[in-house]
Amino acid sequence: AQSVTQPDIHITVSEGASLELRCNYSYGATPYLFWYVQSPGQGLQLLLKYFSGDTLVQGIKGFEAEFKRSQSSFNLRKPSVHWSDAAEYFCAVGAWAAGNKLTFGGGTRVLVKP
Amino acid sequence: EAGVAQSPRYKIIEKRQSVAFWCNPISGHATLYWYQQILGQGPKLLIQFQNNGVVDDSQLPKDRFSAERLKGVDSTLKIQPAKLEDSAVYLCASSPTGTDSYEQYFGPGTRLTVT
Repeated sequence: AQSVTQPDIHITVSEGASLELRCNYSYGATPYLFWYVQSPGQGLQLLLKYFSGDTLVQGIKGFEAEFKRSQSSFNLRKPSVHWSDAAEYFCAVGAWAAGNKLTFGGGTRVLVKP
Repeated sequence: EAGVAQSPRYKIIEKRQSVAFWCNPISGHATLYWYQQILGQGPKLLIQFQNNGVVDDSQLPKDRFSAERLKGVDSTLKIQPAKLEDSAVYLCASSPTGTDSYEQYFGPGTRLTVT
């Protein structure tokens, strides 16, 4: 069965500082991976996705993520955080073999200090 | 292109009452998903439709939850009777067919509070 772990429930970062959110997954086959962001009262917005190819993927809003197969990780990074990045971030894993069903991690809430 | 529409956005009911949520996917998207997101957790898939057929409903509590997708377009999710633990945000998502079928587009969700 697929599973996704986001070890950090909350992260507080100062505006302008760098941000890294951790994501570890468990799946027997090669998955495809996503990062979504959810602002209060809003639905999920796709930040970026990894399907195949280059393991460093660029997304919207200046985010990037790196797929490391050996570590079963797909960590999200941003070099300089803006106050508007305060939100909850979800990592998700899917696979063709699972009918494109997504399994989500528990989320990491990011707070940005001025 | 219009996104996934959901209504209502908020609903408050008492336990043992019934409630229904509506979802209109992106035009042309064959696959539709309903997720339950309990506060502090990630979304959990309840049911997946391909056109008007059910692909996966293994995590749908069928004693109280039901869902249908008439004519392969709009969908409704119903809870009857509701329990306190059903308080959550119910998210609808849709995805196209073909090579982009892995990408899901989410609606704004319906926040249900059961008192």
